[in-house]
Amino acid sequence: QKEVEQDPGPLSVPEGAIVSLNCTYSNSAFQYFMWYRQYSRKGPELLMYTYSSGNKEDGRFTAQVDKSSKYISLFIRDSQPSDSATYLCAMTPYSSASKIIFGSGTRLSIRP
Amino acid sequence: DSGVTQTPKHLITATGQRVTLRCSPRSGDLSVYWYQQSLDQGLQFLIQYYNGEERAKGNILERFSAQQFPDLHSELNLSSLELGDSALYFCASSVDGVSGRDTQYFGPGTRLTVL
Repeated sequence: QKEVEQDPGPLSVPEGAIVSLNCTYSNSAFQYFMWYRQYSRKGPELLMYTYSSGNKEDGRFTAQVDKSSKYISLFIRDSQPSDSATYLCAMTPYSSASKIIFGSGTRLSIRP
Repeated sequence: DSGVTQTPKHLITATGQRVTLRCSPRSGDLSVYWYQQSLDQGLQFLIQYYNGEERAKGNILERFSAQQFPDLHSELNLSSLELGDSALYFCASSVDGVSGRDTQYFGPGTRLTVL
């Protein structure tokens, strides 16, 4: 079993819809949780960063961490065609930023 | 543009050969990371350097090695290449690579094809 599980999709939704992307993990030592967005033929770029449990909002994006359930989510409101990309969850134990474990990524497509 | 540069963009080579991938970090970043991204394994951390010294190792094969030079650029050397080494190789850099809040910025990647 992988340390981080992520549904690979693809996920296709109409423009304007709310998108929910999720990851589960098994290592309770993970403290820092991230979401990266990767466009085709590009490197990943950091979207959201959260520490421990709770919610964090940035514009149309909201990241949620539920450490008791070992479950993290990324919500995208008012989705746009430009949001079409692969979304990777990532996490790392306390003070070990160098050993980030990535999910396999969910491919998202927003239909105009 | 993340500020991290990688060369070459594409590399096609044969099994058994050796290649070198190059990475220049963002200005001011001391830490460099190498990742391999393949369809079946996803994005996997290989190795991290900080200011010229190896900081952490991930799932890096013995056939692979890396170094970070005094000017902070880094090279990833892949030898005795196998078909399964075909993948995208990303370099990322961050300011210090110490705290969990340190943000990594990824380069555009080098696509390696082993025939």
